[in-house]
Amino acid sequence: SQTIHQWPATLVQPVGSPLSLECTVEGTSNPNLYWYRQAAGRGLQLLFYSVGIGQISSEVPQNLSASRPQDRQFILSSKKLLLSDSGFYLCAWSVGTRPMNTEAFFGQGTRLTVV
Amino acid sequence: DQQVKQNSPSLSVQEGRISILNCDYTNSMFDYFLWYKKYPAEGPTFLISISSIKDKNEDGRFTVFLNKSAKHLSLHIVPSQPGDSAVYFCAASEMDSNYQLIWGAGTKLIIKP
Repeated sequence: SQTIHQWPATLVQPVGSPLSLECTVEGTSNPNLYWYRQAAGRGLQLLFYSVGIGQISSEVPQNLSASRPQDRQFILSSKKLLLSDSGFYLCAWSVGTRPMNTEAFFGQGTRLTVV
Repeated sequence: DQQVKQNSPSLSVQEGRISILNCDYTNSMFDYFLWYKKYPAEGPTFLISISSIKDKNEDGRFTVFLNKSAKHLSLHIVPSQPGDSAVYFCAASEMDSNYQLIWGAGTKLIIKP
């Protein structure tokens, strides 16, 4: 069966420090991968998606970047965190030619607090 | 401008009764709609979906209704159970935007014993 691992579950980082959140998927090949952020009182905001190794599309320009060094690994990074980067970050995967119209499977999420 | 709106931040329902969660959208090009359920400190899990060619889809206790003319969809949970207490997100997509779901802000459902 397919599983998705996302870590860490919680993270407190000072302003200006770097960030690296990792997500890995098991049990499937060539998944579509996504990073979302949920801000308080708002829906999920798609940050990045990837349909293959090295292929990253950004939906919202911001202080973050993403990389996909391996087929089932997706990394969210920042060189210098801002206070506004605080939030709940979710990794997700799906399969299919029209990926977001099918069921997406989410990781447990990372609660990031920038202080 | 929010294209998908869930106007009720929270909803409280007695156990055993019907829960009705509402979602409105503005983009008439949306052709696929999904409901996700989210517990605190967990990722959302897919619940049920509906294509714009249908007006109803049922899965056990969960039924989604779509009214295209009103640009409105609703999720009915019958009967409501304590384990249904969670935040419910409505999401929508259109064929020309293959990778992006547009999400509502969520409705927190509280089932009272």
